[in-house]
Amino acid sequence: DVKVTQSSRYLVKRTGEKVFLECVQDMDHENMFWYRQDPGLGLRLIYFSYDVKMKEKGDIPEGYSVSREKKERFSLILESASTSQTSMYLCASTLNGGYTIYFGEGSWLTVV
Amino acid sequence: GDSVTQMEGPVTLSEEAFLTINCTYTATGYPSLFWYVQYPGEGLQLLLKATKADDKGSNKGFEATYRKETTSFHLEKGSVQVSDSAVYFCALKTNTGKLIFGQGTTLQVKP
Repeated sequence: DVKVTQSSRYLVKRTGEKVFLECVQDMDHENMFWYRQDPGLGLRLIYFSYDVKMKEKGDIPEGYSVSREKKERFSLILESASTSQTSMYLCASTLNGGYTIYFGEGSWLTVV
Repeated sequence: GDSVTQMEGPVTLSEEAFLTINCTYTATGYPSLFWYVQYPGEGLQLLLKATKADDKGSNKGFEATYRKETTSFHLEKGSVQVSDSAVYFCALKTNTGKLIFGQGTTLQVKP
């Protein structure tokens, strides 16, 4: 079974803190994604990576950065967390050319 | 940029009614198009897909046709069941592999 693992399920951080969300997949997928899911807004793409060290901005990259130093790991970084970044964050991966997307369980981030 | 727009929900239907959920897209090149479904308490599952113009994707009684001339991929089902109650997401995948979702449409089917 493909597994996408997000390191933290529930986090509470203070405004201005630097936050790291880690995601690891074990099926050698080329493509990895970070989304945030908010009620009524669906899944909005933050960043996408199609290979090691390669990244592409999604719809809402402001306030976020990403790192992909190894194929299996894709990290989302909030340089200075704000309350507007309180949300559920989903990591996902797919094979290049594949159509099935595998999601992690999600990370619930609350910024106070 | 690339985007997907779905009709707003919630959509409430009686069992056996006909379902249409509208989806339109904006993209450069020739994207692939998808419908995903999220049942209560579960993750997203691929429902159907179409990879080129005029393709029809189908699964579990649901259908959608890739219409390039109208940039649309509307989801239809002839007779919905209570078990179809879920959130439905239209999505596109660009040539580079980027996957973009619409905002989701909640479907509630009443017995």
